Amino acid sequence: AQSVTQLDSQVPVFEEAPVELRCNYSSSVSVYLFWYVQYPNQGLQLLLKYLSGSTLVKGINGFEAEFNKSQTSFHLRKPSVHISDTAEYFCAVSVKGSQGNLIFGKGTKLSVKP
Amino acid sequence: NAGVTQTPKFQVLKTGQSMTLQCAQDMNHEYMSWYRQDPGMGLRLIHYSVGAGITDQGEVPNGYNVSRSTTEDFPLRLLSAAPSQTSVYFCASSRLRQETQYFGPGTRLLVL
Repeated sequence: AQSVTQLDSQVPVFEEAPVELRCNYSSSVSVYLFWYVQYPNQGLQLLLKYLSGSTLVKGINGFEAEFNKSQTSFHLRKPSVHISDTAEYFCAVSVKGSQGNLIFGKGTKLSVKP
Repeated sequence: NAGVTQTPKFQVLKTGQSMTLQCAQDMNHEYMSWYRQDPGMGLRLIHYSVGAGITDQGEVPNGYNVSRSTTEDFPLRLLSAAPSQTSVYFCASSRLRQETQYFGPGTRLLVL
């Protein structure tokens, strides 16, 4: 069965610093990968996704992620964070062509301090 | 487009009571799902539907029922509420099962 591991449950960072949120998945077959963001007291919204093609994916709000098949990783990065990026971030995976559902990681809380 | 809507936003129940959480989408999506979110647990799939008249169980289905009589609506029923069902519930929809899911704003449920 597929699984998703978000290696850090909380990441504190100062404003304008770079950040990387780590995500590893377990699957021996081709996958789709997603990052969602959840602002306080809101639902989840899509930040970016990898379906195929270029392994570097750009999303909204200046975020990007790189798909690394050999390391089964899909880490999220932003070169300079803002206070408004404070939120919880979820990595998710689904298997291409399967009947499986989307599997979510447990989330990483990003806290941006002034 | 309203997207995915959920009602109520907040509900308090007593143990043993039943209730229905409403979910509706206006995007003509075939796939709809219900998740619960608990601290440190991420999102766990309760039930899902791949189209009207078709539903199936997810990871944590016990204590919940669903039905899908129309493409737009996917209500979640709590049969006999328990304190362990205190959680935030999210409904989501997508055109196809593995595509981007669109989430509602959530229902915060407290069972006393």
